[in-house]
Amino acid sequence: NAGVMQNPRHLVRRRGQEARLRCSPMKGHSHVYWYRQLPEEGLKFMVYLQKENIIDESGMPKERFSAEFPKEGPSILRIQQVVRGDSAAYFCASSPGQGSEKLFFGSGTQLSVL
Amino acid sequence: GESVGLHLPTLSVQEGDNSIINCAYSNSASDYFIWYKQESGKGPQFIIDIRSNMDKRQGQRVTVLLNKTVKHLSLQIAATQPGDSAVYFCAENMRGGSARQLTFGSGTQLTVLP
Repeated sequence: NAGVMQNPRHLVRRRGQEARLRCSPMKGHSHVYWYRQLPEEGLKFMVYLQKENIIDESGMPKERFSAEFPKEGPSILRIQQVVRGDSAAYFCASSPGQGSEKLFFGSGTQLSVL
Repeated sequence: GESVGLHLPTLSVQEGDNSIINCAYSNSASDYFIWYKQESGKGPQFIIDIRSNMDKRQGQRVTVLLNKTVKHLSLQIAATQPGDSAVYFCAENMRGGSARQLTFGSGTQLTVLP
């Protein structure tokens, strides 16, 4: 499967715990994007990363949220001290390079905060 | 602020009929538009795109129309099938921006009736 891979598909956390969401881009893609989707809403941009670099994090909440895309391994979206309002579907997308406007999305991680 | 919006949140059509999903945008700097299809529990799937130097583009059973005068985008699906039932999002990319500037609308739920 050469698509964008996200795991886990479903993640349940209690308030105050940490959530780690993983994303492996499509083969040959070096650019990763994270989007958040609330029920019955569109996708909201969070962050754009290349290997070892955060290019644009203008959509990330100022606190508790962080993202990385290391030289080796998947991109990680980390949410510390989760609150109920963090419950959402988090989608990762990849593209082969900057200026490649077409994004390819993974199946998402559904985060539920109890 | 400038945003992408959809005229109708839901659309029901009979199987075999044609579907038209509309989208209004207000960002005059946008020059690239994409339609995505999202089935329940899945990530958005690319359907078709169009640049602002075109007013029509056709794919397999789908046609996208762009009216820059009134800032309107539509997706036409011919001979709608049950598998077309999904939420459809339009997204816009501002001129000069990379994929990180992809802005999504809130979506239209298409239901195909037997």
